Amino acid sequence: DIQMTQSPSSLSASVGDRVTITCRASQYISTYLNWYQEKPGTAPRVLIYAASTLQSGVPSRFSGSGSGTDFTLTISSLQREDFATYYCQQSYSPPYSFGQGTKLEI
Amino acid sequence: QVQLVQSGAEVKKPGASVQLSCKASGYSFSDFHIHWVRQAPGQRLEWMGMINARFGDSTYSQKFQDRVTMTTDTSTNTVYMELSNLRSEDTAVYYCARFRIVTGGRFFDYWGQGTLVPVSS
Repeated sequence: DIQMTQSPSSLSASVGDRVTITCRASQYISTYLNWYQEKPGTAPRVLIYAASTLQSGVPSRFSGSGSGTDFTLTISSLQREDFATYYCQQSYSPPYSFGQGTKLEI
Repeated sequence: QVQLVQSGAEVKKPGASVQLSCKASGYSFSDFHIHWVRQAPGQRLEWMGMINARFGDSTYSQKFQDRVTMTTDTSTNTVYMELSNLRSEDTAVYYCARFRIVTGGRFFDYWGQGTLVPVSS
């Protein structure tokens, strides 16, 4: 099975900051890497798929990059509504595993 | 609009089984696979398995292979997930999610609202 590891596990930041979250896969996954945002009491929401493609309706301050085993999610200028938990997920091969999450706090 | 509506919360005792439903609307049900993902308190999201909504063939995570069954009912656009021999570690919110496949990518584009299943004696 492919293991996904995110860093950091938590992050404190301020409105307007630029933030980067990293995700590493235990083996090659090409660009089959997705990023989700989760807020308490709600289902996850996809932000980025195929490592760098912005899902429709997601603000352009979110961007993703990487291929192979190393990936990043960047938020260019944090807004108040961005404080949430972020998960990476590989969809290269089942089981489609997730990272442990990065909690972004004010 | 695309919607996945899940059944309500269920409280279960250890050793029991639970069957959750996920009713789809707003799209061609048979054209997408449905996956189940769960999240235990304070834990990461965990993929459980998937089912082809059209034909009913499924793939399960090895962790749940001997305890989970996913089925589909194309007459009501509903997918079911049964988990048996429940233990306290199965306490979680269970989500169904639609799996979208595009060139170069595969991801969950719509999710159900989640169903809480506490397992306690």
